Amino acid sequence: NAGVTQTPKFQVLKTGQSMTLQCAQDMNHEYMSWYRQDPGMGLRLIHYSVGAGITDQGEVPNGYNVSRSTTEDFPLRLLSAAPSQTSVYFCASRAPSVGELFFGEGSRLTVL
Amino acid sequence: RKEVEQDPGPFNVPEGATVAFNCTYSNSASQSFFWYRQDCRKEPKLLMSVYSSGNEDGRFTAQLNRASQYISLLIRDSKLSDSATYLCVVGSSGYSTLTFGKGTMLLVSP
Repeated sequence: NAGVTQTPKFQVLKTGQSMTLQCAQDMNHEYMSWYRQDPGMGLRLIHYSVGAGITDQGEVPNGYNVSRSTTEDFPLRLLSAAPSQTSVYFCASRAPSVGELFFGEGSRLTVL
Repeated sequence: RKEVEQDPGPFNVPEGATVAFNCTYSNSASQSFFWYRQDCRKEPKLLMSVYSSGNEDGRFTAQLNRASQYISLLIRDSKLSDSATYLCVVGSSGYSTLTFGKGTMLLVSP
């Protein structure tokens, strides 16, 4: 059971570089989301999607883009990385009308 | 007032102890409530949902007080393996928005 798969698990970027964090789920979940987790801040929602072709902003969307061309994939793009984006990023999905979120293992990003 | 607030912790308890975590939420329209567990450097995982009547799962008991906008998690007979961070999560109707508390760390020692 793969569940939610995130890549890469670790990444170091220089300020101004761009990159994409990949997220794929094999549970046919319509809802997918990206969170970032920082010490003392808890999990904060960046962007989410309720189905293919539909995305919306969460609490902290600035500096990030998402797209949802298929049910399975929900990539997160950092357009021009900044040190403030150093964080652990989690992708999560859930079934409709069910509250349980299934998380990927996380992607640890450091921006120098 | 933050949307979801938890005891800051950490809680250091010996094996076999009973420990209780508290969580308050600010949105009175909240409809769904959960406790998640997060091990060190791992992803969060659902521990249990919280129902209005309260619910129990083995050594874990969750309670909800809508009038006081308060959720609790009680762990009885603590095990070393219970050491983790416990996240309180509150959702709106239809789970469209799930808000996480910052978490309370539990350390169970021999």
